[in-house]
Amino acid sequence: EPEVTQTPSHQVTQMGQEVILRCVPISNHLYFYWYRQILGQKVEFLVSFYNNEISEKSEIFDDQFSVERPDGSNFTLKIRSTKLEDSAMYFCASRGLADTQYFGPGTRLTVL
Amino acid sequence: AQTVTQSQPEMSVQEAETVTLSCTYDTSESNYYLFWYKQPPSRQMILVIRQEAYKQQNATENRFSVNFQKAAKSFSLKISDSQLGDTAMYFCASSGGTSYGKLTFGQGTILTVHP
Repeated sequence: EPEVTQTPSHQVTQMGQEVILRCVPISNHLYFYWYRQILGQKVEFLVSFYNNEISEKSEIFDDQFSVERPDGSNFTLKIRSTKLEDSAMYFCASRGLADTQYFGPGTRLTVL
Repeated sequence: AQTVTQSQPEMSVQEAETVTLSCTYDTSESNYYLFWYKQPPSRQMILVIRQEAYKQQNATENRFSVNFQKAAKSFSLKISDSQLGDTAMYFCASSGGTSYGKLTFGQGTILTVHP
């Protein structure tokens, strides 16, 4: 069964450093998403991506964040200068024509 | 804007018994979808069940079923014959047809199944 994959599973970085989180969505899906979950809190929407551009973004998704689909398979989230408060679980999700999103296993980001 | 509220931070149930998790939502969308996701300790988000708002029939997936009350904006999840593997955080979520399908999540309910 097709699934969304994410790498790395855990990323540790120093405050101020840039990180890139990678995702491979399900191959025939058209819509891609990033969500964030701070430990013990609810899952929050960051950004949606369709037809090679951002279709919607939340207030959290400020100028420090960017997304890219550099080729036909990868979907990346970049944080330019990480802050302590960026420590969270980051989930990638994708969906096809139906409205169901399938999530990857997540990347746990720890900013020191 | 959509909001989703789960009023039960924690629930517990004995193995083989039935438990119901509550969820209420608010949306201005005319066409929307509702979901329940399970998050076990591994923190993977696993789809449990989905409901299309224009369908009156309640969705069912094996031991999982929903009670969808559109007028009351209520969407509860019933788990029958609870199993130890059902122990997890459960999130209710909604998505609207005009917002590229972004999901809005509730705060979650921690469900513990006791042997």
